[in-house]
Amino acid sequence: SQTIHQWPATLVQPVGSPLSLECTVEGTSNPNLYWYRQAAGRGLQLLFYSVGIGQISSEVPQNLSASRPQDRQFILSSKKLLLSDSGFYLCAWSRDREVNEQFFGPGTRLTVL
Amino acid sequence: GEDVEQSLFLSVREGDSSVINCTYTDSSSTYLYWYKQEPGAGLQLLTYIFSNMDMKQDQRLTVLLNKKDKHLSLRIADTQTGDSAIYFCAESLYNFNKFYFGSGTKLNVKP
Repeated sequence: SQTIHQWPATLVQPVGSPLSLECTVEGTSNPNLYWYRQAAGRGLQLLFYSVGIGQISSEVPQNLSASRPQDRQFILSSKKLLLSDSGFYLCAWSRDREVNEQFFGPGTRLTVL
Repeated sequence: GEDVEQSLFLSVREGDSSVINCTYTDSSSTYLYWYKQEPGAGLQLLTYIFSNMDMKQDQRLTVLLNKKDKHLSLRIADTQTGDSAIYFCAESLYNFNKFYFGSGTKLNVKP
């Protein structure tokens, strides 16, 4: 069976500090990978998606970047966090099929102070 | 961009039916989805409907799609307290890798 892990589960960081959130998927190969942000009281915003190693598509211009160094590893980074980066970050994966069911990780709660 | 809109809150009594509504703007949607998010957790797919269908029923869940009005709804029959959660509608477009979610509707079920 497939599982998706995210860490850390919670993170409190000062403004201007760097960020690295990690997501890994087990039990499948060549998944599509996604990073979403869920700000308080708002819906999910697609940040990045990746269809393969080293292939990253960005949905919105922002203070964040993503990388996929391995097939089942997806990393969300920032060089300098802003207050507006606070939120709940969700990683998801899907198979490359027409019905694109997405499987979500448990999320990382990021608070920037 | 693609806009997917939902009302933010819905409150019902246990045993009643709940209807959660969603509107979208992109007519090239291929599949439309309903996801459920329980507190502090990720999302889980509840059901989906292909854009050339009008209705899909799955146990207590009924999805209605009005493609002309770009309106999607989720009806939960005999709503239970365990149904309390945030419900997101989402659409995928011709590029199946892209997903757009609504803001989520928080369903509160009162005993």
